Amino acid sequence: EAQVTQNPRYLITVTGKKLTVTCSQNMNHEYMSWYRQDPGLGLRQIYYSMNVEVTDKGDVPEGYKVSRKEKRNFPLILESPSPNQTSLYFCASSPRTGLTDEQYFGPGTRLTVT
Amino acid sequence: KNEVEQSPQNLTAQEGEFITINCSYSVGISALHWLQQHPGGGIVSLFMLSSGKKKHGRLIATINIQEKHSSLHITASHPRDSAVYICAVESGLGQGNLIFGKGTKLSVKP
Repeated sequence: EAQVTQNPRYLITVTGKKLTVTCSQNMNHEYMSWYRQDPGLGLRQIYYSMNVEVTDKGDVPEGYKVSRKEKRNFPLILESPSPNQTSLYFCASSPRTGLTDEQYFGPGTRLTVT
Repeated sequence: KNEVEQSPQNLTAQEGEFITINCSYSVGISALHWLQQHPGGGIVSLFMLSSGKKKHGRLIATINIQEKHSSLHITASHPRDSAVYICAVESGLGQGNLIFGKGTKLSVKP
């Protein structure tokens, strides 16, 4: 089944404790992206990657790191999480063929930083 | 000023009604996306447009590049269409960089 998976789905952590949220897709998509969703602010892009070893900042990259060492995986790293990073996080991928570039979203990761 | 504005913010309709959700943007774009977020939180991509019009079932999306405006229409609305509909634009300068509207919450009553 074609899908984007995220792990964990729910996470409660404490300020300063490094964490990684994994994202994996099995559709051989070139493009992957991370978003956060907050009440009243909507979805905002954190980082995106057009292909392996290519990453770019979105609108809210501060406090996050990403890597794209292989096509299928695009982990989101919070080196020192803070309470303002409490949010719902979505990973997405897209084929970027120019024919159909719709985004396929993961199920979301709800992160709480205390 | 938000770069992507959606209207209305909230919309309540009766089953069977024709629905229009609007999206205006202020930046140059290479593409515009319409997304649907279900009450359970999952997000599905409905359309990606760079010009003209696309249709999928009861959903129609149009874009006017000169006016920097897009509309999402739902014909013969049904309670299962109740969701948040989100417009996102892909910047013409930085392809892959998406800017989102705040969404339109649609409720269709039986």
